[in-house]
Amino acid sequence: DAGVTQSPTHLIKTRGQQVTLRCSPISGHKSVSWYQQVLGQGPQFIFQYYEKEERGRGNFPDRFSARQFPNYSSELNVNALLLGDSALYLCASSIGIGTSGGLEQYFGPGTRLTVT
Amino acid sequence: GNSVTQMEGPVTLSEEAFLTINCTYTATGYPSLFWYVQYPGEGLQLLLKATKADDKGSNKGFEATYRKETTSFHLEKGSVQVSDSAVYFCALSDLSGTGRRALTFGSGTRLQVQP
Repeated sequence: DAGVTQSPTHLIKTRGQQVTLRCSPISGHKSVSWYQQVLGQGPQFIFQYYEKEERGRGNFPDRFSARQFPNYSSELNVNALLLGDSALYLCASSIGIGTSGGLEQYFGPGTRLTVT
Repeated sequence: GNSVTQMEGPVTLSEEAFLTINCTYTATGYPSLFWYVQYPGEGLQLLLKATKADDKGSNKGFEATYRKETTSFHLEKGSVQVSDSAVYFCALSDLSGTGRRALTFGSGTRLQVQP
């Protein structure tokens, strides 16, 4: 079975532009979470979605938004890009949330975003 | 809020040496604890987990014990290999009323194993 897939692999954008990152979870997984990993640091939680509903949001500005589709795939959108948004964006999927299969999160390879 | 503190790296060891990477945490509730590993150019892989006090997680020769009294989850391996060279992240997961499970990560510890 395929793991979590993300696209694109790499992306270069200019300050002020908008970007959309995509994620497909492991087959059978209904929850998707997004994390931002700045170089040399641990990942930071951005969003968690389950059954197309936002279940949690980290400490990120409103420029960051996401959605989940009926097939459980997800998109992360970032508007008005800043240099500080340059990072590896990781998507993770889990079977469910909470105590129903939400414990283990499986990560994709990430999308490397560079903002110039 | 929640936080995870790991020992700073890099940790450089010779093959077959004993490994310890320290990890302590601060959490308002009763979190689950994890170790993830990140190989160069790749995403994170779950290495092991523990969900309650005194639980020992183990995988691929690595192990860590959930110590509630010292709020620690140190990673150990008896004999490291060159292939273990990677960045190791300690993390905790809490549970909110909405069912959200957000991972809080430490800053990572780079392990370099020399032949």
